[in-house]
Amino acid sequence: GAGVSQSPSNKVTEKGKDVELRCDPISGHTALYWYRQSLGQGLEFLIYFQGNSAPDKSGLPSDRFSAERTGGSVSTLTIQRTQQEDSAVYLCASSPQTGGVGNTIYFGEGSWLTVV
Amino acid sequence: DQQVKQNSPSLSVQEGRISILNCDYTNSMFDYFLWYKKYPAEGPTFLISISSIKDKNEDGRFTVFLNKSAKHLSLHIVPSQPGDSAVYFCAASAGFGNEKLTFGTGTRLTIIP
Repeated sequence: GAGVSQSPSNKVTEKGKDVELRCDPISGHTALYWYRQSLGQGLEFLIYFQGNSAPDKSGLPSDRFSAERTGGSVSTLTIQRTQQEDSAVYLCASSPQTGGVGNTIYFGEGSWLTVV
Repeated sequence: DQQVKQNSPSLSVQEGRISILNCDYTNSMFDYFLWYKKYPAEGPTFLISISSIKDKNEDGRFTVFLNKSAKHLSLHIVPSQPGDSAVYFCAASAGFGNEKLTFGTGTRLTIIP
């Protein structure tokens, strides 16, 4: 597809289980971001990948969260030992360039995670 | 600590009238501001932006105003149309090119036909 693709679109998991969320950015986009939106909150920055540079992980809320980006394209966000407070919409976005402005960031539809 | 605040969770406006969405920020390092629009089950899409060197930016029916001294910005939509019904997020970044956006909690705008 032409846009940012995320899977699964919905995920219900039991507390303590690990989950993986996948993001396929727009082809050719060098920058990839993960944000999340918890109920009643704004979008919260999690992590940023740019090309082969070390990712900016400053937004990851705990060491249970990790993300990787393989081959400069697909990214996987992994949450280990999920907790109920991890329930949120996890949004992936990609951008064709760095040094750009927010109007070049394209968001996917999000992965809705519910931890029960 | 919510650095970008949208104090109105919802707003209803008659079709054809002006919609005004407000946003306040606390971080004086923010120098670039954006508005995103989000429909249900879709990701946010960029609407309009403004840098701190300006106090107004206009794009068709959408105008963003920035008051740096008050750390306040607003989005005006005129005339409002039913398709404008969505959640609007205000976002800010520190340093041109810093794409780590800080978002507000959003305002749900409903346009009444």
